[in-house]
Amino acid sequence: ELKVEQNPLFLSMQEGKNYTIYCNYSTTSDRLYWYRQDPGKSLESLFVLLSNGAVKQEGRLMASLDTKARLSTLHITAAVHDLSATYFCQGTYKYIFGTGTRLKVLA
Amino acid sequence: DTAVSQTPKYLVTQMGNDKSIKCEQNLGHDTMYWYKQDSKKFLKIMFSYNNKELIINETVPNRFSPKSPDKAHLNLHINSLELGDSAVYFCASSSFGTSGSNEQFFGPGTRLTVL
Repeated sequence: ELKVEQNPLFLSMQEGKNYTIYCNYSTTSDRLYWYRQDPGKSLESLFVLLSNGAVKQEGRLMASLDTKARLSTLHITAAVHDLSATYFCQGTYKYIFGTGTRLKVLA
Repeated sequence: DTAVSQTPKYLVTQMGNDKSIKCEQNLGHDTMYWYKQDSKKFLKIMFSYNNKELIINETVPNRFSPKSPDKAHLNLHINSLELGDSAVYFCASSSFGTSGSNEQFFGPGTRLTVL
């Protein structure tokens, strides 16, 4: 069965802390996408990871891709309240989305 | 100068009715998509068109019929609406091919409520 699994599904963290969201996918995917979705809003593209070993950083977020392990990570450094949102990963095979991780950063 | 636009933003209708959602992109992309996001926020692709040709057609009831009059437009027509069709429908577009990022840009969504 085709799957893209994210964990955790829910994440409540204190401001200033670090954490990692994991995205495991069951079929080969030559690239991996990360999105952010605020409540009631559309999806905003965060990162496009194009190859094995790709690492991209934007502000407090860093994403990486390991195609051999079929794993991508989204690392949050020194979280701030503005990062509260739902984060999705997506593979390229049938454009399957992960289950989403709802992040809440507490002041 | 919205990149991907959808109309309407909200759609409330009765069961059994037929409705359409329109999508337009001005990014010069050759591929467009329809996604459904259910009440639990799960996202699933429904259709994808490349240069007006259907390339992805997931297990969607045939009450849903996409139409792409040109590369910049992808409309979704839904016949005989059912309660389970209530969801947010997102249109997206991207370039297509193995050399580029194929990054998808999403429209604002259409919230469909079937009563």
